[in-house]
Amino acid sequence: DADVTQTPRNRITKTGKRIMLECSQTKGHDRMYWYRQDPGLGLRLIYYSFDVKDINKGEISDGYSVSRQAQAKFSLSLESAIPNQTALYFCATSRDTSTDTQYFGPGTRLTVL
Amino acid sequence: KNQVEQSPQSLIILEGKNCTLQCNYTVSPFSNLRWYKQDTGRGPVSLTIMTFSENTKSNGRYTATLDADTKQSSLHITASQLSDSASYICVVSFILTGGGNKLTFGTGTQLKVEL
Repeated sequence: DADVTQTPRNRITKTGKRIMLECSQTKGHDRMYWYRQDPGLGLRLIYYSFDVKDINKGEISDGYSVSRQAQAKFSLSLESAIPNQTALYFCATSRDTSTDTQYFGPGTRLTVL
Repeated sequence: KNQVEQSPQSLIILEGKNCTLQCNYTVSPFSNLRWYKQDTGRGPVSLTIMTFSENTKSNGRYTATLDADTKQSSLHITASQLSDSASYICVVSFILTGGGNKLTFGTGTQLKVEL
């Protein structure tokens, strides 16, 4: 987990606020991902990036945006947070092969009131 | 619809005992299957990955099996320890039309190992 870090680890915010979650990695991987995890559901992909400036939508991208300005950093933004975005958010990285393992960060617990 | 179902949803065993977790999937076309361990408050950590041609893979006390014909996988934990208490997540990768892979995550089996 130390190779993939996420900030903040916990955040409580109010409806309508703009929130940014940061992910940094020292593994030198090209591919980075943002997931959310909700109780009783599997992890779901929000956005992913295969290289700097490359952005791809996942299965639940509505209400989110991302930025990949450097290989080591991938940020997730909630432009106007709503309560159903309350969840555990994970960043992950992998090398550029389809069968390669994804390495997850420690997660950010976000609560939207 | 591509799905991954895990059973049981939760399991309690005594330290030192063995256990087996199940994963059934309907993902197609199949690329690979992974098992992850997720400790409470932490990100998932990879235990094993198996491609179509592999039917067993071990990582210490963890042994995963794959039957691609019946679309079933199992994770067997031998001589369980308190530190095995965690959620175990089955993840199946399928091949997208046009190239690339997509991961489908199961909801996990919550294992608790007690003294």
